[in-house]
Amino acid sequence: DTEVTQTPKHLVMGMTNKKSLKCEQHMGHRAMYWYKQKAKKPPELMFVYSYEKLSINESVPSRFSPECPNSSLLNLHLHALQPEDSALYLCASSQDPASEQFFGPGTRLTVL
Amino acid sequence: GEDVEQSLFLSVREGDSSVINCTYTDSSSTYLYWYKQEPGAGLQLLTYIFSNMDMKQDQRLTVLLNKKDKHLSLRIADTQTGDSAIYFCASAGAGGTSYGKLTFGQGTILTVHP
Repeated sequence: DTEVTQTPKHLVMGMTNKKSLKCEQHMGHRAMYWYKQKAKKPPELMFVYSYEKLSINESVPSRFSPECPNSSLLNLHLHALQPEDSALYLCASSQDPASEQFFGPGTRLTVL
Repeated sequence: GEDVEQSLFLSVREGDSSVINCTYTDSSSTYLYWYKQEPGAGLQLLTYIFSNMDMKQDQRLTVLLNKKDKHLSLRIADTQTGDSAIYFCASAGAGGTSYGKLTFGQGTILTVHP
């Protein structure tokens, strides 16, 4: 298995909802990442997990809460989001933090 | 911090070569990457080059690196309509607080005309 999968593909949520995004890889990679991407812009790094420990948090608001339950799985828990949080959320993984990153297809999030 | 710049648009005819350029500021960058993003999709890793190399060829793709000028280019030979996409250049941080971080350019929108 040589891909990063993300679910759901699309998500619409209200500002008071709680939802989660899921990312999975079975390549034995030990680093996983969350990015946020607005239309026609480059991805912006949110979080890095290295060997299942949070190693980078790019000053992301606390309404985004990452979780790495095991080396294959990465979640992003969402609570009380704002309409400006609507974006494509991309997950990526790499062998280790120094190696090339492979991206999933993303979750298109719309906050109403 | 690190800055990566690309031209925003490139338009070519089918069958021609495309050259997408990128400049970066961090001389300690270890790897430099090219990603392709089609509409509504994630990023696809096309190729990468280690900072001690000056050229890498992979089928229709040629990457040139001028480390002195901090200039990277991606040449696509025999460009096809399926190559139409946004192309991102990215620089990998060398270590410390940059370890694991990619800095992306703004992306070059490549349009291929039949």
